[in-house]
Amino acid sequence: DSGVTQTPKHLITATGQRVTLRCSPRSGDLSVYWYQQSLDQGLQFLIQYYNGEERAKGNILERFSAQQFPDLHSELNLSSLELGDSALYFCASSFSGLNTEAFFGQGTRLTVV
Amino acid sequence: AQTVTQSQPEMSVQEAETVTLSCTYDTSESDYYLFWYKQPPSRQMILVIRQEAYKQQNATENRFSVNFQKAAKSFSLKISDSQLGDAAMYFCAYMLGSNYKLTFGKGTLLTVNP
Repeated sequence: DSGVTQTPKHLITATGQRVTLRCSPRSGDLSVYWYQQSLDQGLQFLIQYYNGEERAKGNILERFSAQQFPDLHSELNLSSLELGDSALYFCASSFSGLNTEAFFGQGTRLTVV
Repeated sequence: AQTVTQSQPEMSVQEAETVTLSCTYDTSESDYYLFWYKQPPSRQMILVIRQEAYKQQNATENRFSVNFQKAAKSFSLKISDSQLGDAAMYFCAYMLGSNYKLTFGKGTLLTVNP
């Protein structure tokens, strides 16, 4: 158990809908990362937050947004969902973010039908 | 942009034997970090080993070791005395020293035969 908790584990929703994925980092970790894993794109970095502020952005679509709350948990919001958004979404956390080991959660499997 | 290439989509090894997974990367930077992550069927991403580019000595973690060839931009993972529990997808990843994101390769699926 990495100490990073993601909910829900599985999510099935229809095209056009909006979902929220939640991540609770390890106790004491200030940095949260979101990654998307799909068959065609592989593992891709989406976004990183550090102590409530956006720190780095990757290949995140405009339909997606994220935030980190004062208690350091993070949410990834996916809207206007398309079939191609079906993927495994990982959250990872680390203490500072810079050159420190990131611990991954078990992921949320999103299926868009 | 940095890229990570794993040329072996699948590998297999007999239990107790040694296997080497290949990884090459492309970067013009000098300060970076390299990682091998393991993803078993449980989907959990588990850090296996990490190498700082400024260190010449190859990293070792128990049965896992790397062969880091900086000039060739090669970073292979050697698993000794393979165990059934080593069966998983293995991902090579790169992180720029001043950045926070991991760039992953496509992965190598390792099968361990009893």
